[in-house]
Amino acid sequence: DIQMTQSPSSLSASVGDRVTISCQASQDIINYLNWYQQKPGKAPNLLIYDASNLETGVPSRFSGSGSGTDFTFTISSLQPEDIATYYCQQYDNLPLTFGGGTKVEIK
Amino acid sequence: QVQLQESGPGLLKPSETLSLTCTVSGGSISSDYWSWIRQSPEKGLEWIGYIYYSGYTSYNPSLKTPVTISLDTSKNQFSLQLSSVTAADTAVYYCARHGRRRRVAGINWFDSWGQGTLVTVSS
Repeated sequence: DIQMTQSPSSLSASVGDRVTISCQASQDIINYLNWYQQKPGKAPNLLIYDASNLETGVPSRFSGSGSGTDFTFTISSLQPEDIATYYCQQYDNLPLTFGGGTKVEIK
Repeated sequence: QVQLQESGPGLLKPSETLSLTCTVSGGSISSDYWSWIRQSPEKGLEWIGYIYYSGYTSYNPSLKTPVTISLDTSKNQFSLQLSSVTAADTAVYYCARHGRRRRVAGINWFDSWGQGTLVTVSS
């Protein structure tokens, strides 16, 4: 199985800050990497697919980059409604696997 | 806008069979790939398996519990069965639809999810 390692596991930032989350795959997954936002008690919600493509309706302050084994998810200006846990997910190989999540809080 | 809704028992005893159904509305199940995913504090998000509208399935070999995913196109539903559950199968279970790239269905991202249903396995 491809292991997805996210860092940090949690972070605290101020409103307006730039927030960056890393996701590392245990092997080359090209750009088959997606990002989700999950708020408490809710299902995950797709934000970014294929490493850098913004899902329709998702605010442009969210972005993704990377290829191969190293990927980055960025919130350019953190907003109060962005408080959530963020997950990466690979689909290069079955089984599909997720990162452990990064919990984002407001400082 | 497609919507998915899980249904099924929330409490099971060890060794019983977990049966969940996902009802799809606002779109046809007779296209696309459909998956089950579960989430627990111990294992995080864990993909269980998928089914294609043709009936083709693929399961996560890491799951220790026998899995069956099936679909009923007449009811626009697909279902999950886990046999002989243990406490380790306690989780929130989600059904989800895979997205399309340039209108072509594939095993890729999950663009629609059900709200999730908590299943607890306890004696």
